[in-house]
Amino acid sequence: DQQVKQNSPSLSVQEGRISILNCDYTNSMFDYFLWYKKYPAEGPTFLISISSIKDKNEDGRFTVFLNKSAKHLSLHIVPSQPGDSAVYFCAARNHYGGSQGNLIFGKGTKLSVKP
Amino acid sequence: ETGVTQTPRHLVMGMTNKKSLKCEQHLGHNAMYWYKQSAKKPLELMFVYNFKEQTENNSVPSRFSPECPNSSHLFLHLHTLQPEDSALYLCASSPGRDYQETQYFGPGTRLLVL
Repeated sequence: DQQVKQNSPSLSVQEGRISILNCDYTNSMFDYFLWYKKYPAEGPTFLISISSIKDKNEDGRFTVFLNKSAKHLSLHIVPSQPGDSAVYFCAARNHYGGSQGNLIFGKGTKLSVKP
Repeated sequence: ETGVTQTPRHLVMGMTNKKSLKCEQHLGHNAMYWYKQSAKKPLELMFVYNFKEQTENNSVPSRFSPECPNSSHLFLHLHTLQPEDSALYLCASSPGRDYQETQYFGPGTRLLVL
């Protein structure tokens, strides 16, 4: 059973508009969340993270929102640029348990930003 | 070279072959990871090494055999693989095992098993 779900396999957005990528999780023990971006033929690169003690973290055009009660997080990119076109992975981490520190990834959402 | 490098970038092998994937990190990190990404599936953690010691084997079949001779190098030895093992194999590293550390990924090896 998937613990981290990205239910939209793809998203298309016009340049300059906001991109919103969503992620849901089922394990209430997750307390640290990350977003990675992946271009074709490259490995995932870290984008932004958020701890469960916060509900928002912002870094330039990228903002991650966390709603713990809904077990939902989202990544907002504004304004979107063609260079943002990539696959975005949501990942979560459980501070406790035998696999402490292991990242659990979603399947990814492919974002296409149209000029 | 900087960051995390992986060789080869592409590999085609038969089910009876033996091959090895190599990962090298130039970041001074102490933890290294192997992940598998199959089509339409999330990244799956395979192995974790921390200070050259294997700390995680995520129920990986024995036809995959990792080796970590030092903190900078990680190998994945492959033998008698199955076609369903065809996937992108990603290596990552992080400074240690603190749970808020960022993992840095290599570009991956695209493996096709015939």
